[in-house]
Amino acid sequence: KQEVTQIPAALSVPEGENLVLNCSFTDSAIYNLQWFRQDPGKGLTSLLLIQSSQREQTSGRLNASLDKSSGRSTLYIAASQPGDSATYLCAVSYNQGGKLIFGQGTELSVKP
Amino acid sequence: KAGVTQTPRYLIKTRGQQVTLSCSPISGHRSVSWYQQTPGQGLQFLFEYFSETQRNKGNFPGRFSGRQFSNSRSEMNVSTLELGDSALYLCASSFYRDGYTFGSGTRLTVV
Repeated sequence: KQEVTQIPAALSVPEGENLVLNCSFTDSAIYNLQWFRQDPGKGLTSLLLIQSSQREQTSGRLNASLDKSSGRSTLYIAASQPGDSATYLCAVSYNQGGKLIFGQGTELSVKP
Repeated sequence: KAGVTQTPRYLIKTRGQQVTLSCSPISGHRSVSWYQQTPGQGLQFLFEYFSETQRNKGNFPGRFSGRQFSNSRSEMNVSTLELGDSALYLCASSFYRDGYTFGSGTRLTVV
C-alpha cells in the first residue's frame, strides 16, 4: 500500500531557529513530490515541487531534498519566523494522472 | 494570473439533500482533481478529470460524482448527504509536470 508519513506531527520552536520536517513514503517509484503549507481553514499553498530525477529544490529560506532510494524527503526552514506557523504537508504522485497521496502533516508553531 | 477558484466558500446543507461544488482551474490547465479533507482522515483523493474524462477515481461511494466541461471548469456533486460528508473540499489544477495548485476550498457542513 502506498503511504506517506510525516514526523513530527507537531513542532514548537522559538523564532530564529533552523528546523527540519521529515516525510517518508513506502513506494519509492514516485513521479514527483510536493510540499505544501496550509493555514487554518484555508487551502493549500505550494512551496516546492521536486521531480523524481531531482535531488533538491530551494526557494528563499526553504530547501527540500529527495532521496528516492530511502523513500525520504526533508523540508529545511532556515531562520524561522512567526509567520511560518502553519501545517506543512508532503504529497507524492506516482504518475502524471492526478492522484496525490498526502501525509498527515506537521503542525508548526514558531514563538516570537 | 488568476488562481484556482472554488465556489461557494461555505455551504450548510441538511442530511439527505444534494450539493454541487464548482471549481475553475488556472487558465490553460486541463487537469482538475478533487480532495476531501477531514480532521480524522486528512486529505483524501476523490477523482481527477482531464479533457472532460475521468482519469482517476478514489475510494468514495457512488454518491460522489463529478464532471468537467469543455472549458476545463469542473463540478463535484454529492447526493443524499450524510453527516460524515462534512468536510473541506479542495480542488486542484495542474499543467503537465508543473505540480498542483489548490483553491481555497469549499467548507461543507451537513446538519
